[in-house]
Amino acid sequence: GNSVTQMEGPVTLSEEAFLTINCTYTATGYPSLFWYVQYPGEGLQLLLKATKADDKGSNKGFEATYRKETTSFHLEKGSVQVSDSAVYFCALGINAGNMLTFGGGTRLMVKP
Amino acid sequence: KAGVTQTPRYLIKTRGQQVTLSCSPISGHRSVSWYQQTPGQGLQFLFEYFSETQRNKGNFPGRFSGRQFSNSRSEMNVSTLELGDSALYLCASSLGVSGSPETQYFGPGTRLLVL
Repeated sequence: GNSVTQMEGPVTLSEEAFLTINCTYTATGYPSLFWYVQYPGEGLQLLLKATKADDKGSNKGFEATYRKETTSFHLEKGSVQVSDSAVYFCALGINAGNMLTFGGGTRLMVKP
Repeated sequence: KAGVTQTPRYLIKTRGQQVTLSCSPISGHRSVSWYQQTPGQGLQFLFEYFSETQRNKGNFPGRFSGRQFSNSRSEMNVSTLELGDSALYLCASSLGVSGSPETQYFGPGTRLLVL
């Protein structure tokens, strides 16, 4: 079956620190990969996505590269802000239809 | 464009009751998916509807059901509620016409508490 594994949180960083959140996946087929972010009290928002190997998704300073050889899609940001504090979810989808498989989520806390 | 809306936002029920949650997708979106979010199990896919037909289904018991109307609005129903059904239920919509996984737009969720 399909599964997504994320590093467990919480991850606590100081403002302007470098962020990496690891995500690896197993899939039967060739998935599209997503990072979603959930701010307190809200639903999920798409942060970035990649649909094929070596694609790099980027948005708001966040980046992730689809690595087929290591089945990974790690999220990075060079300099985090307090406003980045949220829960981050890695997810995969395969084929037509919109059935996403999510990782367990990683809570990020950024301190001033 | 208005986002995905879900009603009600909060709900308290007792064991054995049934509940219906509603989701209005973004205008023009024909696919609606439902997810359950709990601290223990995380985010789990329930089902997806496209053009009034269930297109995908997750691994949930038959007590969980859904439907979609001709205007793409969707409802999900949970019968014979159990304590473990307490969760945040998220609805997501997308155009639904691509042959590959699409970006989904999520609503704020309905928080269900079963006592």
